[in-house]
Amino acid sequence: RKEVEQDPGPFNVPEGATVAFNCTYSNSASQSFFWYRQDCRKEPKLLMSVYSSGNEDGRFTAQLNRASQYISLLIRDSKLSDSATYLCVVRVLDRGSTLGRLYFGRGTQLTVWP
Amino acid sequence: NAGVTQTPKFQVLKTGQSMTLQCAQDMNHNSMYWYRQDPGMGLRLIYYSASEGTTDKGEVPNGYNVSRLNKREFSLRLESAAPSQTSVYFCASTRQGAGTEAFFGQGTRLTVV
Repeated sequence: RKEVEQDPGPFNVPEGATVAFNCTYSNSASQSFFWYRQDCRKEPKLLMSVYSSGNEDGRFTAQLNRASQYISLLIRDSKLSDSATYLCVVRVLDRGSTLGRLYFGRGTQLTVWP
Repeated sequence: NAGVTQTPKFQVLKTGQSMTLQCAQDMNHNSMYWYRQDPGMGLRLIYYSASEGTTDKGEVPNGYNVSRLNKREFSLRLESAAPSQTSVYFCASTRQGAGTEAFFGQGTRLTVV
């Protein structure tokens, strides 16, 4: 079973739409949670961290449900520039260490059309 | 500020050839990682290094070796390349600590023919 499961999409939405991505993780010892964005043929870059209380950054809202081991990302008022692949990322700390291994979902592809 | 620098950006190898992918970071990060990304598979961890002088296997280490030369540099070596190693390789680094962001290099596109 993969550490992180994501719906690969693709999601095709018009400008201005609201779109939500979901992700589940299998390791209950997971410590930290992130959403990364990856543009075509580029490296992944941090979009936002995900906190237990939920957090918002402009048009982006991330939620974490530890009991269900579920992470979500909501994008409101989609822009053309939001077209990218969104990666759900979970960090699991090695026992007795401060090093965490990052596990990536396969990514959800989003295309926003005019 | 360069961040994480990978070389080369592109490489074509023949089956059985060897090569080393280079990675360097200038952010004074302790931890460094090598990932491969294949279509439909997401990023998979090959090897990682918690600190200078230590390395550990990730999810898919077979066919690879690594060296943490110093705090800045972490190289990935393919001793005898195989077509199954055709992929995009990313190096990343982080400070230690649970909530820290990973910074990635621009990737190396490797084709083994």
